[in-house]
Amino acid sequence: DIQMTQSPSTLSASVGDRVTITCRASQSISNWLAWYQQKPGKAPKLLVYKASSLESGVPSRFSGSGSGTEFTLTISSLQPDDFATYYCQQYNSYSPLTFGGGTKVEIK
Amino acid sequence: QITLKESGPTLVKPTQTLTLTCTFSGFSLSTSGVGVGWIRQPPGKALEWLALIYWDDDKRYSPSLKSRLTITKDTSKNHVVLTMTNMDPVDTATYYCAHLIFSARRAFDIWGQGTMVTVSS
Repeated sequence: DIQMTQSPSTLSASVGDRVTITCRASQSISNWLAWYQQKPGKAPKLLVYKASSLESGVPSRFSGSGSGTEFTLTISSLQPDDFATYYCQQYNSYSPLTFGGGTKVEIK
Repeated sequence: QITLKESGPTLVKPTQTLTLTCTFSGFSLSTSGVGVGWIRQPPGKALEWLALIYWDDDKRYSPSLKSRLTITKDTSKNHVVLTMTNMDPVDTATYYCAHLIFSARRAFDIWGQGTMVTVSS
């Protein structure tokens, strides 16, 4: 199975900061990588799919990049509404779907 | 507008079988490329994918839980049912169902609100 390793597990940042979260796959997944945002008590929300495609309605300050085994989610200017936990997810068709362990973005 | 909603027991005893139903609207599970998945999240922990069922009745399971899981669909009723046997307290979690388009995204774009299941005697 493909393992997804997210870093950091926790990130402290201030409003206006540029934030980058990394997700590494244990083997190549092409660009079949998605990013989700989850707030306490709520279901996850899809932000990015196919590594860099922004889901409809998601603010343009969010962006995704990468291919193969290394991927990043970037928030260009952190807003108060962005403090949440972020998960990556891969779905290479030759392997079971897996999620990363999550990155909690906290207020500094 | 696509919506999904999970239903089932909030409390099950150890060794019992859990049956959860996902009732959806706004799409058809007979449309090519469409799938519905189940994902769970123990309190304070990460998301864990459990199972997926596709429009063509192809079924995929998490390898670590495959022996305990069964996923089925009733296209006429817009239902997807997940059963998990031999429940244990470590299975205590919020269980979500979600919509997926395999060809275009391979990501869960619409989620249900989740249902909390506690396993305790």
